Formats: sequence, structure tokens, C-alpha cells
Amino acid sequence: DGGITQSPKYLFRKEGQNVTLSCEQNLNHDAMYWYRQDPGQGLRLIYYSQIVNDFQKGDIAEGYSVSREKKESFPLTVTSAQKNPTAFYLCASSIWREGYTFGSGTRLTVV
Amino acid sequence: DQQVKQNSPSLSVQEGRISILNCDYTNSMFDYFLWYKKYPAEGPTFLISISSIKDKNEDGRFTVFLNKSAKHLSLHIVPSQPGDSAVYFCAASRRASGTYKYIFGTGTRLKVLA
Repeated sequence: DGGITQSPKYLFRKEGQNVTLSCEQNLNHDAMYWYRQDPGQGLRLIYYSQIVNDFQKGDIAEGYSVSREKKESFPLTVTSAQKNPTAFYLCASSIWREGYTFGSGTRLTVV
Repeated sequence: DQQVKQNSPSLSVQEGRISILNCDYTNSMFDYFLWYKKYPAEGPTFLISISSIKDKNEDGRFTVFLNKSAKHLSLHIVPSQPGDSAVYFCAASRRASGTYKYIFGTGTRLKVLA
């Protein structure tokens, strides 16, 4: 079965540490995205990539970094520069002229 | 600047009645719209879409209406069921520009009362 997998489902991070969230898809989708969901703020785009080895900043990229070395993978690193990293993170993928397929999300909590 | 707005953060409806969720957008270049449904601690799932060349699209209990002149779309759920209780997001895209990217609204939490 094709799908998009995010891991881990829950993640705890100490202040000042970097942490990497995994996103893998076997849908052969060209584009991949990272969104953040906070209560009352909907889905805000962090980074997106339409092809391998290329990615663009979204609306709230500060404090985050990504890489797209393989079509299947789009990991997100939450750096210590991100001031308020506690949130629910969603990864998605898509092909041209189609909507997104979302992963099940990772809840990151800073302790 | 919020290009896609869902002005009602929540909505409660009796089981069996109609649920109407609204979405407004500001960019007249948007040409494709989606609705997603999201349960807590899960990823959103695709519900229904509509192209700007249409004003209505129907799929079972779900119908989306598009009013381009008003830059407004709505999702109708008839009849509403308790399992429909979730957060609903509308999303818009400028597919003609070549982008894959969608802009999402802030979501409306629907509660269907048994």
C-alpha cells in the first residue's frame, strides 16, 4: 500500500536541542511539504519541495531546515533557533494537479 | 495576510440536519479548491474538490458550492452524522500558475450532536 509515513508520532525535546522529524512517502509524488498546526491557527506552511535537491521557504521557515536528497524523503529539522517549537507537525506530498496526501503527524513537545 | 479565511471557528449541528461550512478567499487567481477533514492527532484527509470552472460538485452526502464573484465557497453535509465531527479545512491553489502549493484556511470545528 502506498502512503506517507511520519515518525515518531510523539517527540520530546529539551530546550536548546535540535531535533529531526522524519517523513517518507512511497507514492512517487514529486512534491513534499511541511506544515505546522497550532490551536486556532490552521495549517501554516514551513517548507516545501517540488523536486529533488530543491526546496523553498514557506510562511514560517525561521528556525527550521529541510533537505530533499531523495524523492521519497523530506526530513524537517527543528533547530534551537525556533522560539516556540511545541506544535503538531504535518508532512504532505502531492503530484501535479492533485491535492495533498498527509501523514499522520508528529507532536513535538519541548520540555 | 490570510488569503483563505474560515470565519467560523466552530459549528454545532443536530444529527440528521444540514451542516454548512463556509470559506472566503481574497485572491481571484485561485482556480482550484479542496476541503479536508481532520480528526485530533491525525493527518487531514481529502474530502471533496472543485475547479473554478464549476459552481457545484457533489459526492454522496457532501456538496461544495463555489461563488466566484463573491470569492466564497461552502461545504454542505446532508444529513450530518456524529462521525462527521471533526475540523474541516478549505484550501485554495493557483494551479494554472504551475504551483503545487495550496493555501489553507484556519479550520472550522464541526460538532454533530446525537
